[in-house]
Amino acid sequence: GAVVSQHPSWVICKSGTSVKIECRSLDFQATTMFWYRQFPKQSLMLMATSNEGSKATYEQGVEKDKFLINHASLTLSTLTVTSAHPEDSSFYICSARARGRASSSSYFGPGTRLTVT
Amino acid sequence: RKEVEQDPGPFNVPEGATVAFNCTYSNSASQSFFWYRQDCRKEPKLLMSVYSSGNEDGRFTAQLNRASQYISLLIRDSKLSDSATYLCVVNSMGGGGADGLTFGKGTHLIIQP
Repeated sequence: GAVVSQHPSWVICKSGTSVKIECRSLDFQATTMFWYRQFPKQSLMLMATSNEGSKATYEQGVEKDKFLINHASLTLSTLTVTSAHPEDSSFYICSARARGRASSSSYFGPGTRLTVT
Repeated sequence: RKEVEQDPGPFNVPEGATVAFNCTYSNSASQSFFWYRQDCRKEPKLLMSVYSSGNEDGRFTAQLNRASQYISLLIRDSKLSDSATYLCVVNSMGGGGADGLTFGKGTHLIIQP
């Protein structure tokens, strides 16, 4: 089946620093990638939609200047958490969807666990 | 009212038993429904889609009741490897996020030897 990778899988950073997370579709072209955040014992919450070659669309309440998204190619989207704070500590998961496919055909990456100290 | 509600559990069930969990959704315009499985510190993985006619995949049976806006998942002959969190996911045109998906918080299942 389709594979989506994320890097890094786990990162600890100091408050005030920036962290970049990569999401790659390994065997298909992903015209759309989604970025989610999941806090402990909570549901996945969509943060933003990343479309190749255009600006990301952010969900209400998500600061676009804090969570920078770049989808420069059909196989790579990056999420940069700028000036991270402890409250940004969470599990960040991307999913990738091929062109014209239904939402059930989105494939999740393995997630990145971010801890901000 | 939350869009997708699930009993968080945990459900502690002996190996070999049958267990069922339910999920309710608030958006009557929802179009498709899924159960995902999420292991600790891992990404969700699609377990099965849910149809009004009901569907079965091995030991797993999912059913949808559109009138009651209710989805169920039944696991027969439970295995230790079934221990996980089961997420109810609803796809709503014009609702949910831009991907149309709304995730429940999940039901935590623990199969005991």
